[in-house]
Formats: sequence, C-alpha cells, structure tokens
Amino acid sequence: EVQLLESGGGLAQPGGSLRLSCAASGFTFSGFAMSWVRQAPGKGLEWVSFIGPGAAYYADSVKGRFTISRDNSKNTLSLQMNSLRAEDTAVYYCARRVPAAALDYWGQGTLVTVSS
Amino acid sequence: EIVLTQSPGTLSLSPGETVTLSCRASQGLSSSYLAWYQQKPGQAPRLLIYGASSRATGIPDRFSGSGSGTDFTLTISRLEPEDFAVYYCQQYGGSLWTFGQGTKVEIK
Repeated sequence: EVQLLESGGGLAQPGGSLRLSCAASGFTFSGFAMSWVRQAPGKGLEWVSFIGPGAAYYADSVKGRFTISRDNSKNTLSLQMNSLRAEDTAVYYCARRVPAAALDYWGQGTLVTVSS
Repeated sequence: EIVLTQSPGTLSLSPGETVTLSCRASQGLSSSYLAWYQQKPGQAPRLLIYGASSRATGIPDRFSGSGSGTDFTLTISRLEPEDFAVYYCQQYGGSLWTFGQGTKVEIK
C-alpha cells in the first residue's frame, strides 16, 4: 500500500526556516517524481515544487527561498523553506507524480504557520 | 504561467442530479495534461481524472472528463451524497504546474 507521511510542520517566525519531510513507503520511491502542494487556510490548492530525474522546479512564489530534495536511500522527500513569510502559512502536502497521470497519491499534510 | 479558471464557484444541487464543471486554460495544454481532483473537508485531495479523460484507479464511472486545448469539463452523473465536495482542475504539462481555484458542489 502506498503511503506518504509528512512531518516537520509547526510554528516559524517571519524570516525563519523550516524543513519538511515526507516518508514514502509501499512503492519504489526512486522511480517516481515527487511534488509538494500547499493549501492556505480556507483557500485552494497551490503547487509549490516537484523533483524529477535530474531536475527540480518551483512556483514563482517560492523560487529562491525553498529547496526540494530527495534521499532515495531513505525513501524521503524534503522541502527546505527559508525566508518564510506569513503568506507561506498553509498545510503542505507531498504527492507522488505518475508520468501523464498527475498526482495519484497524497499524504495527509503538515501545517506550517508563519507568525511572530 | 498557465492560468486555470474554474466555473462556477459554487453549485447547489440535490442527490441524483448531474453536474458539469468547467475549467478553462489561458493557453492550450499540450497532450491534455489536465487532471481533476476531489477534496473533502479535512482530507487530502484525491485524483479523479488524468489526461483530461482517463479515470484514476477506483474512481466510479459516474465521473467523466472531457475536453482539449483550453476547455475542459468534469461531469458527475447521478450525484451521490459522498460527491459533495470541492473539485479542482490542474495542468501538469510543463515545468510550472497550476491549479484552478476550485468549484464547490454543495447540497441544496
């Protein structure tokens, strides 16, 4: 059974940093691109980043502040978030990307709150 | 950046009715890399449709997707009580993905 479990959320100050992790199981992690998607309280979904074979891509809203990475030996996806802003407050989901088939499995999300 | 515009914002319907949701892209989508998701309160999104018209694993056949280029639709036939939720479209064809703002389907 495919499982994605996010962790690392919490309260951070504006300008601060936070590192999210997503532990994957039930599939060959190294064979899939992975993505982060966020959802501000009461708002819609916003794509943040995805990492594929040899490349990573970011939404303009986080480019230069967030870094996506993966450790295939530990089946873990990460998102390093620096220079956090109040508007980064959201539930962050990790999701598996299937070529031509979008994001087929999602974690339950981890809440990031940026506030002083 | 490709902007996706969903309409309407909210629909009030009764169980058993059929609903059609719209998603319009600001430019043509290559290879119909358009997906639809369902999200219920407090839950993660669930993939319904990918490639504009292919149902994801385990999705009932009352859900169907169609469209190409810039205009896409999600049709839900014979609404079941569990179908009342928010629906999002997403384009994932290039290196910058985007979601529509969502359509809420609520019980009348």
